[in-house]
Amino acid sequence: RKEVEQDPGPFNVPEGATVAFNCTYSNSASQSFFWYRQDCRKEPKLLMSVYSSGNEDGRFTAQLNRASQYISLLIRDSKLSDSATYLCVVNEGSSASKIIFGSGTRLSIRP
Amino acid sequence: DVKVTQSSRYLVKRTGEKVFLECVQDMDHENMFWYRQDPGLGLRLIYFSYDVKMKEKGDIPEGYSVSREKKERFSLILESASTNQTSMYLCASSFHTSGNSYEQYFGPGTRLTVT
Repeated sequence: RKEVEQDPGPFNVPEGATVAFNCTYSNSASQSFFWYRQDCRKEPKLLMSVYSSGNEDGRFTAQLNRASQYISLLIRDSKLSDSATYLCVVNEGSSASKIIFGSGTRLSIRP
Repeated sequence: DVKVTQSSRYLVKRTGEKVFLECVQDMDHENMFWYRQDPGLGLRLIYFSYDVKMKEKGDIPEGYSVSREKKERFSLILESASTNQTSMYLCASSFHTSGNSYEQYFGPGTRLTVT
C-alpha cells in the first residue's frame, strides 16, 4: 500500500462546478498536511496547509479527517485557471525526510 | 517573495560524466531539499540538509551526493551519470517551524537528460 494515495484523475469538470479530491495516508502518526498545485512543466507551489479544524482560503477549503486518515480539497466555482495537478503532501514525523508526496490528481476545467 | 533558483533549466550529459546541479535560496531557510520527479512516481526525496554541512539521506540517495557549504546554497552531485538518472530535479527550501510543519518553496526545476 502506498503511503500517500490520490486518485490520479483526470477530473474533467465545467467552469463554475464544485470539485473535491481526497487523499489517504497510511501513517496514523502523521503530523502535518498540505496541498500543492503544479502546473504543466512547472514546479509545485504551496496552495494551503491543512489544519485539524479545517481551513478555507477563498474558493478553496481543506479538511483533515484523522480518524479515517484522509485529507480533502474542495474547490468551489471552479475557474479555467484552476486546471493543474494537485499534490497531497503528508509529513509523517518530526524529520523533513519524512515528507511524503502523493502522485497528484489532475484537474481540467472546461469552458 | 521567496525565491529559489536552480542553475540550469535543461541539461544534457553523457553516461559517466560528473554532473553538478546548483540551488540557491534567498530567504535564509534552514532546510533545503533535492527531489526527482518522474511520471507516475511523484516526487521522491534524494537528500535534504537542515543546516550548513549537515545532510540526511532521503528515499533514493544511491548514485547521488550533496554539498552545503553555505546556508543559501545546496548542490546535488551525480558522481557518474547513468541513463536511469534522466529526470526532472527539483530543489526546495523551507523554514523549520516548531510544529514540524515544513512549508516548502520550490525552484523551477532542472530537466536532466543522460545519453
